[in-house]
Amino acid sequence: QSVLTQPPSVSAAPGQKVTISCSGSSSNIGNNYLSWYQQLPGTAPKLLIYENNKRPSGIPDRFSGSKSGTSATLGITGLQTGDEADYYCGTWDSSLSTWMFGGGTKLTVL
Amino acid sequence: QVQLVESGGGVVQPGKSLRLSCAASKFTFSSYDMHWVRQAPGKGLEWVALISYDERRSNYADSVKGRFTISRDNSKTTLYLEMNSLRVEDTGVYYCARALRDCGGGGCSTRHFDYWGQGTLVTVSS
Repeated sequence: QSVLTQPPSVSAAPGQKVTISCSGSSSNIGNNYLSWYQQLPGTAPKLLIYENNKRPSGIPDRFSGSKSGTSATLGITGLQTGDEADYYCGTWDSSLSTWMFGGGTKLTVL
Repeated sequence: QVQLVESGGGVVQPGKSLRLSCAASKFTFSSYDMHWVRQAPGKGLEWVALISYDERRSNYADSVKGRFTISRDNSKTTLYLEMNSLRVEDTGVYYCARALRDCGGGGCSTRHFDYWGQGTLVTVSS
């Protein structure tokens, strides 16, 4: 069971918006940067959002991130079938001096 | 473009050992902390281990502590994971990842992983 809590699955229709939550504690999300990773089927994870709300070069602005206290949210607008993937949040835990991932959320674009 | 290429995976019996490698190129390997992350079949990502750019810091997930050893050779720009006393539950795809770090008065932390390898499959089975 992951220390960072994500919903197992979310779904929405093409063109719609979806949000994915990630909940932790003061030792991890509350005091460290939060990042999001997209894993398309059969591929390695890819950085999607870093430092809570920044997008790497090449990531469209349909993807956004926010953080408040010990929780974070990934938002995806204008959903496309190509967005179907597993999404993971991740952060450092200052008490354990380890990295941790959320359990992952499977996005289905209906 | 940054490249990370894992190798060394395969089928191994429980209790045996295996050594994974991650060959890095197209960046200054000796300047970056590196991590191993694994994924069991059909499961989520699990962080395994980290090693600092200068090998002074390392840490492990509780599930592998005492059995796995992370190391690096900056002259060969290669990251390693020595896995001993393997268990069935160690089965999965193992990824190496490049990390951006933050260092302050309280020590260093990892900010995020900006590049990942393609992974190498380890199967522990009798």
